[in-house]
Amino acid sequence: QVHLLQSGAAVKNPGSSVKVSCKASGGTLSNYAFNWVRQAPGQGLEWMGGIIPIFGTPNHAQRFQGRVTISADESTSTVYMEVSNLRSEDTAVYYCATEGEGRFDPWGQGTPVTVSS
Amino acid sequence: QSALTQPASVSGSPGQSITISCTGTSSDVGSYNLVSWYQQHPGKVPKLIIYDVSQRPSGVSNRFSGSKSGNTASLTISGLQVEDEADYHCCSYASSNIWVFGGGTRLTVL
Repeated sequence: QVHLLQSGAAVKNPGSSVKVSCKASGGTLSNYAFNWVRQAPGQGLEWMGGIIPIFGTPNHAQRFQGRVTISADESTSTVYMEVSNLRSEDTAVYYCATEGEGRFDPWGQGTPVTVSS
Repeated sequence: QSALTQPASVSGSPGQSITISCTGTSSDVGSYNLVSWYQQHPGKVPKLIIYDVSQRPSGVSNRFSGSKSGNTASLTISGLQVEDEADYHCCSYASSNIWVFGGGTRLTVL
């Protein structure tokens, strides 16, 4: 089964950008749909978007259109998610997860992102 | 793409059964049998416990069961155990490779 390893925690200033990576091992990147889900402190999970590397075109939740960029590098089996124009409300743990047959499994370990001046 | 609606909290005593509801619309829960549930202990990564409305992954206790009626999906936990105390999140497909989660439910085992 594929294993997902995410990049480390980040602290960013409001208005800046953050790029989180998710490296897959133990499987072929092109066989999976990769999704990004975030969880603000004390809140539920929120689907942000996803990408199927063999197709290349990502999908985004409407509220993140224009501010979130999802990409994949098949040569390194790594998926990326960049959030621009960060605000305090973007403080959250960001997870990547593979989706197949209607289930999000497995998940990466999560990347805490703090937006603070 | 509004979040699915879950109760903020539910509680039960050891040995009892509880049910957590997850209400969507005819555009998500009501249209697809692609509802999944995730268990999340504090500070931990979400864990898949139900997929395709009622299927259990290998290794998940048969005390967990799922169902759906119309626009509402449900997760039932029978024979409550202390270790079941966690947050539970539902998720549904909503067409065109779009997914939506619920707000999460905190289960307290009294």
